[in-house]
Amino acid sequence: GENVGLHLPTLSVQEGDNSIINCAYSNSASDYFIWYKQESGKGPQFIIDIRSNMDKRQGQRVTVLLNKTVKHLSLQIAATQPGDSAVYFCAEKAESSASKIIFGSGTRLSIRP
Amino acid sequence: DTGVSQNPRHKITKRGQNVTFRCDPISEHNRLYWYRQTLGQGPEFLTYFQNEAQLEKSRLLSDRFSAERPKGSFSTLEIQRTEQGDSAMYLCASSFGQGEKLFFGSGTQLSVL
Repeated sequence: GENVGLHLPTLSVQEGDNSIINCAYSNSASDYFIWYKQESGKGPQFIIDIRSNMDKRQGQRVTVLLNKTVKHLSLQIAATQPGDSAVYFCAEKAESSASKIIFGSGTRLSIRP
Repeated sequence: DTGVSQNPRHKITKRGQNVTFRCDPISEHNRLYWYRQTLGQGPEFLTYFQNEAQLEKSRLLSDRFSAERPKGSFSTLEIQRTEQGDSAMYLCASSFGQGEKLFFGSGTQLSVL
């Protein structure tokens, strides 16, 4: 069943356009960042990651940008498709933490046909 | 299917009852994590295992919660004397090596009446 919120920030994008989802983080000690996609009724799915010694990383149709100065992370999805509809979470891990990956609040991406 | 498997998918219980969830990680993964997710929120870290050793527990994990991974393979999460506030999606994830790239199961949705 539906396990992600009805009150998440929502981004509505025309099919075929590019999507940009933003995330702010607060821990300056975080050195590893990840974007996850969560579809209804499923667990989060890894999309792309980036380490703090980089400011940009590209995958297939996705790009993650990291601005450590303002502690901002963004996910860009090129040529958005209906299958991209989901909730997107950014997550971070501190170098000092052996294990804990901390998730931020999500953004719901909806696609207009 | 070689992904992370969680059972049951849904559990409805009455307040005060005990419940147990099971997670079968990806077979070669040495790390196993439990997260909890409530409506509109990102997953919250509960605990993690490296092989059979439970190495970290969140303050969110009250004394009513216990997790085990007896042989370093599958894990169980038990909640005793359930409360309505325990209603959530319980997610299991596994990873290999340093544990940064998590693979999630589809979760167990718990409803406490």
